[in-house]
Amino acid sequence: RKEVEQDPGPFNVPEGATVAFNCTYSNSASQSFFWYRQDCRKEPKLLMSVYSSGNEDGRFTAQLNRASQYISLLIRDSKLSDSATYLCVVKLGGKLIFGQGTELSVKP
Amino acid sequence: DADVTQTPRNRITKTGKRIMLECSQTKGHDRMYWYRQDPGLGLRLIYYSFDVKDINKGEISDGYSVSRQAQAKFSLSLESAIPNQTALYFCATSPRQQQETQYFGPGTRLLVL
Repeated sequence: RKEVEQDPGPFNVPEGATVAFNCTYSNSASQSFFWYRQDCRKEPKLLMSVYSSGNEDGRFTAQLNRASQYISLLIRDSKLSDSATYLCVVKLGGKLIFGQGTELSVKP
Repeated sequence: DADVTQTPRNRITKTGKRIMLECSQTKGHDRMYWYRQDPGLGLRLIYYSFDVKDINKGEISDGYSVSRQAQAKFSLSLESAIPNQTALYFCATSPRQQQETQYFGPGTRLLVL
């Protein structure tokens, strides 16, 4: 079983739509949680951290459910520029463990 | 100028050849990492270094070696390349105090024939 699992997609949505990605992790000792964004053929970049209380950054909202070992990312009012792969990441034992990513394609 | 650079950006080599991928950073970070990315598998950690004298194996270190020549430089070697080492390789750095924020280089696309 993968330590971090994501639906690879692709999610194809129209501009302005709301889209949600989910991620599950297998190790309850995981310490911290993040979403990274990776544009096609580019390097990953940190999008936001994820806290148990939930956190919001503009159109992006991240949630963590430790009991269910589940992380989510919600994107409201999708823009064409949101098209990318979103990587769910957990920190465990001082290292980052990456999910395979969920591909999002926002269409006009 | 980019803070984390990788050379070469693209490389084609033949089975059995030794190759080196290089990574340099100007961010002043102590920690450096090498990952490979394959379709459907995500990023997997090959080696990591928390300072010049500290080298650690990651999830998939077999067939690879590394050298931390200085705080700013971390190179990855494939002693005898094989086709299943064809992948996109990323170097990353992080500061000691905030290791969860990793800054990635642009990647090296390696094709082993």
